[in-house]
Amino acid sequence: QKEVEQNSGPLSVPEGAIASLNCTYSDRGSQSFFWYRQYSGKSPELIMFIYSNGDKEDGRFTAQLNKASQYVSLLIRDSQPSDSATYLCAANRGYQKVTFGTGTKLQVIP
Amino acid sequence: DGGITQSPKYLFRKEGQNVTLSCEQNLNHDAMYWYRQDPGQGLRLIYYSQIVNDFQKGDIAEGYSVSREKKESFPLTVTSAQKNPTAFYLCASSSGAHRNTEAFFGQGTRLTVV
Repeated sequence: QKEVEQNSGPLSVPEGAIASLNCTYSDRGSQSFFWYRQYSGKSPELIMFIYSNGDKEDGRFTAQLNKASQYVSLLIRDSQPSDSATYLCAANRGYQKVTFGTGTKLQVIP
Repeated sequence: DGGITQSPKYLFRKEGQNVTLSCEQNLNHDAMYWYRQDPGQGLRLIYYSQIVNDFQKGDIAEGYSVSREKKESFPLTVTSAQKNPTAFYLCASSSGAHRNTEAFFGQGTRLTVV
């Protein structure tokens, strides 16, 4: 079982819709969770992090964490074609090891 | 400015050659990582190091080697034993000292076998 799992996609959503990206993790010792966006040929960039159960909002992005279910999600409201990218979920166990999922490719259709 | 520097940006390797990819960080991070990314795929962990003079294999370490002689440097050697090395290689580092510590990435090295 992979430590951090994501559906590889592609996930296709129409412009203006809500995109929902999901991630599960196996290590209950994981403390913090991160969402990165990666455009083709570029390095990943951090979008959000979350460490408490519940929702965290930043502009069009909302991260959700459910530690009991070991589940993390990222919602993108009012999706734009510029949001088309691969989204990587990562977990930090709190001692210097960040583990990444393999990413979900998002396609926003104009 | 603090950050991670990977070099070169593009690298060409002949069959049977070893090549070394450089990764340097001035963020004072303890942990460093190497990932491989194939076209349209996610990140796969090659090696990681949590402290100087120590490193662990990731999911796809075969055909690769690393060293961690200095805190700021974590070079990756792609050996001739790696049969399909053409890929995008990403180096990252993280502190891990605090709960919200993220991983920072370099700009990547694109390796092509010719």
